[in-house]
Amino acid sequence: DTEVTQTPKHLVMGMTNKKSLKCEQHMGHRAMYWYKQKAKKPPELMFVYSYEKLSINESVPSRFSPECPNSSLLNLHLHALQPEDSALYLCASSHGVPPYEQYFGPGTRLTVT
Amino acid sequence: AQSVSQHNHHVILSEAASLELGCNYSYGGTVNLFWYVQYPGQHLQLLLKYFSGDPLVKGIKGFEAEFIKSKFSFNLRKPSVQWSDTAEYFCAVTVDSNYQLIWGAGTKLIIKP
Repeated sequence: DTEVTQTPKHLVMGMTNKKSLKCEQHMGHRAMYWYKQKAKKPPELMFVYSYEKLSINESVPSRFSPECPNSSLLNLHLHALQPEDSALYLCASSHGVPPYEQYFGPGTRLTVT
Repeated sequence: AQSVSQHNHHVILSEAASLELGCNYSYGGTVNLFWYVQYPGQHLQLLLKYFSGDPLVKGIKGFEAEFIKSKFSFNLRKPSVQWSDTAEYFCAVTVDSNYQLIWGAGTKLIIKP
């Protein structure tokens, strides 16, 4: 099973709302990733968790707050977003050791109004 | 800084034509190479990968790629394309033991029926 699941599929939120994106994998992977993808562009890395610890934060604004409750789950908490944050948010997972072959979820299409 | 370049941003072919999409990277050390595909409305899928060994690797759906170390290239090929191959194709690289995928800009492939 190489499935990464993400909920919700679509999310519309106002600039004052608080919402969360969820990601789950059951492949025994110990590294999990959040990416942001704009149309017709490659994904941009936001965060990496390795063995449930935040390993990489690519200078992401504090209005995005990641959380890794356990080795299978990854959340992204959203607060006070801007319209330019509208994008497809992708979760991925990989083994916790190189070469970090990443498997992607279907994404959450986020629209900030 | 490391980078990945994909030579063609848009490719239009007729069904049954042969395909070759170029990918070059700039890094002299150890690399792991990936091709991902994103079909319209679907999530990123791993098409094939190269870590070591035989430089000619075969992936899903009849795709193959050849790693040529001297040319820093990892070109994607398919002998006979189908309409269902219409998609965005991304070449990506990880270097040494890093998590971060370095992405090419992507190639939009359109197959005319």
